[in-house]
Amino acid sequence: DAKTTQPTSMDCAEGRAANLPCNHSTISGNEYVYWYRQIHSQGPQYIIHGLKNNETNEMASLIITEDRKSSTLILPHATLRDTAVYYCIVPARGSQGNLIFGKGTKLSVKP
Amino acid sequence: GAVVSQHPSWVICKSGTSVKIECRSLDFQATTMFWYRQFPKQSLMLMATSNEGSKATYEQGVEKDKFLINHASLTLSTLTVTSAHPEDSSFYICSASIPGGYGYTFGSGTRLTVV
Repeated sequence: DAKTTQPTSMDCAEGRAANLPCNHSTISGNEYVYWYRQIHSQGPQYIIHGLKNNETNEMASLIITEDRKSSTLILPHATLRDTAVYYCIVPARGSQGNLIFGKGTKLSVKP
Repeated sequence: GAVVSQHPSWVICKSGTSVKIECRSLDFQATTMFWYRQFPKQSLMLMATSNEGSKATYEQGVEKDKFLINHASLTLSTLTVTSAHPEDSSFYICSASIPGGYGYTFGSGTRLTVV
């Protein structure tokens, strides 16, 4: 898998936008960027994924830089329930597609 | 759509006994499933990849005779922890790749405590 680098932790005020960065400078042209989150003692939850264009769904927006070496996950209006560990993952092609999890970013949304 | 159901959600067993964890894809066929283990305050660690009808591929350091994986159908994969010991206590999570390249979905996890 392409190596990803994320900050260990971040705080965000409730109702504000949470912007979670991820560096993936070794990503190759056909590899997607996936974002998952894990709330304590639950299985990871899919958030969004993208290749080169910015993506938006009901949960979040994904902004991928033009050179694809980094991306930012945006939660537009963070709530207390968004407190979780957020993982940015780039699964490699030809490796059966398994997801290798790094340490992720612990996002704490505060009232 | 693309839901994976994992059971049990938690289990307590005695040392030396075996425990089976099931992972079912409810609304799609899962050709490939993955099993992860997560210790407290750590990230998920991939244990093995299972393909329907063939032997599982284990990650380095994972004992295949201790963690038996069966993927006999397109909707069911099982992980059996044999001769469990307290150090096997962990959070076990299954995952499946969603057909059509739509990513991956995860089970809700199984908390195993060996006493």
